[in-house]
Amino acid sequence: GQNIDQPTEMTATEGAIVQINCTYQTSGFNGLFWYQQHAGEAPTFLSYNVLDGLEEKGRFSSFLSRSKGYSYLLLKELQMKDSASYLCAVRDGSRKNNDMRFGAGTRLTVKP
Amino acid sequence: GAVVSQHPSRVICKSGTSVKIECRSLDFQATTMFWYRQFPKQSLMLMATSNEGSKATYEQGVEKDKFLINHASLTLSTLTVTSAHPEDSSFYICSAQDPGTGNYGYTFGSGTRLTVV
Repeated sequence: GQNIDQPTEMTATEGAIVQINCTYQTSGFNGLFWYQQHAGEAPTFLSYNVLDGLEEKGRFSSFLSRSKGYSYLLLKELQMKDSASYLCAVRDGSRKNNDMRFGAGTRLTVKP
Repeated sequence: GAVVSQHPSRVICKSGTSVKIECRSLDFQATTMFWYRQFPKQSLMLMATSNEGSKATYEQGVEKDKFLINHASLTLSTLTVTSAHPEDSSFYICSAQDPGTGNYGYTFGSGTRLTVV
């Protein structure tokens, strides 16, 4: 099975940096994804890691350590519009359909 | 980029009736689509995997006779909630992977908010 853990809620200040952690256990790791989801909307893709290291994309970066079963999403220069839920998802290559499982999500509140 | 269209966006139905939700890949062919359910303030839970031309694969605890999935073509999958009850009220989302985008994630539909009264 899979266990994907991330903090439930976080609060940060506009302009600051925030790091959202995710730990996972899976039998057939085949990629880790981060999604952003605003209330009542579908998730939107942010980043993808399959090899160890840091992937940078503008204000967002994502890090992966496969040996530790650990990832983090780093958001820089926070803006009010970044207030949303951030979902960590792991793809399991050992499953027939290579499907993706989600963590419970981290609700980020950005304050002025 | 890849677009997945999901309809309806919102539906209210009476208890005991059935509701059909459609998920279409607009500019790519999706042999596999995934159906998720999300309760308020909770994460997405995979319900089933829809495979074109074959039976869907259901996750443990999901009743296949209650949540009927049909994937009749490479661009359309449907989820029918049969004999809906208030506890089925939830946010249902489909997703698919565009083979042309490689490993860069799955594209989600816009979701369907189902309310059973």
